[in-house]
Amino acid sequence: DVQMTQSPSYLAASPGESVSISCKASKSINTYLAWYQEKPGKTNKLLIYSGSTLQSGTPSRFSGSGSGTDFTLTIRSLEPEDFAVYYCQQHNEYPYTFGAGTKLELK
Amino acid sequence: EVQLQQSGAELGKPGTSVKLSCKVSGYNIRSTYMHWVNQRPGKGLEWIGRIDPANGNTIYAEKFKSKATLTADTSSNTAYMQLSQLKSDDTAIYFCAMGGAELDYWGQGVMVTVSS
Repeated sequence: DVQMTQSPSYLAASPGESVSISCKASKSINTYLAWYQEKPGKTNKLLIYSGSTLQSGTPSRFSGSGSGTDFTLTIRSLEPEDFAVYYCQQHNEYPYTFGAGTKLELK
Repeated sequence: EVQLQQSGAELGKPGTSVKLSCKVSGYNIRSTYMHWVNQRPGKGLEWIGRIDPANGNTIYAEKFKSKATLTADTSSNTAYMQLSQLKSDDTAIYFCAMGGAELDYWGQGVMVTVSS
C-alpha cells in the first residue's frame, strides 16, 4: 500500500496569514492526490483533486501543487472558516490511502 | 444538490453483524462509485473499499476483505455496507462517499460501537 506522510500534524496561524501543508507518498502517485477539509458538524469536503485542480466551489485562496511523491496544500490569506482538519489522499491506486491529517488551529 | 444520508448509530455485540445504509439524492449512483471509509476514535481516515453500483463490482482494502461486504440498490439509489464478526476494534465512525477516484461527496458518518 502507498503510505502517505502528512506534516505538520498541528499548525497554529492567524487570519490573514498563509500556511502550507505537506504530503509525501511512499512511491510515485503521479498527480493523483486529493485534499479534504473536515469540520465539526459538516460533511467532509473535497477541496482539490489531481494534485492541483480545484473542486467546484473551492475558494481560490486554496492551491495544490506537486507530482510524484511530494505535494503541498497552500492556503493564502486565511479566513476564519479555514480553521479545520485537512487530509490528503492518494487516488492513484487501490487501496486508496490517506495522510494522518493536519489540524489547523487559530493562534 | 447532492446529498448522502446515512443510517443512524449502531450498537453491536461482539461476533454479530451490522448493515449500514447510505441513500443518495441528487445524483444517480449508477454513474459513480460508492466508497466507504472509517475513522477510529482519535485516528485518521481509512479507506475500506468501493462498489460500482452499475455492475456490482467491488474492490476492498486487504484488511477489510473478510470484514466488510459492499452492496448497492440502484432502484433506491442506496449503498450498503455490512460489517461482520464485530470486534471492539471495529468501533469507529463509518462514512460513505461517492466519486470516481477522488471522493466528491461524503455522508455525515455513522458511529458504530461494538460492546457486550
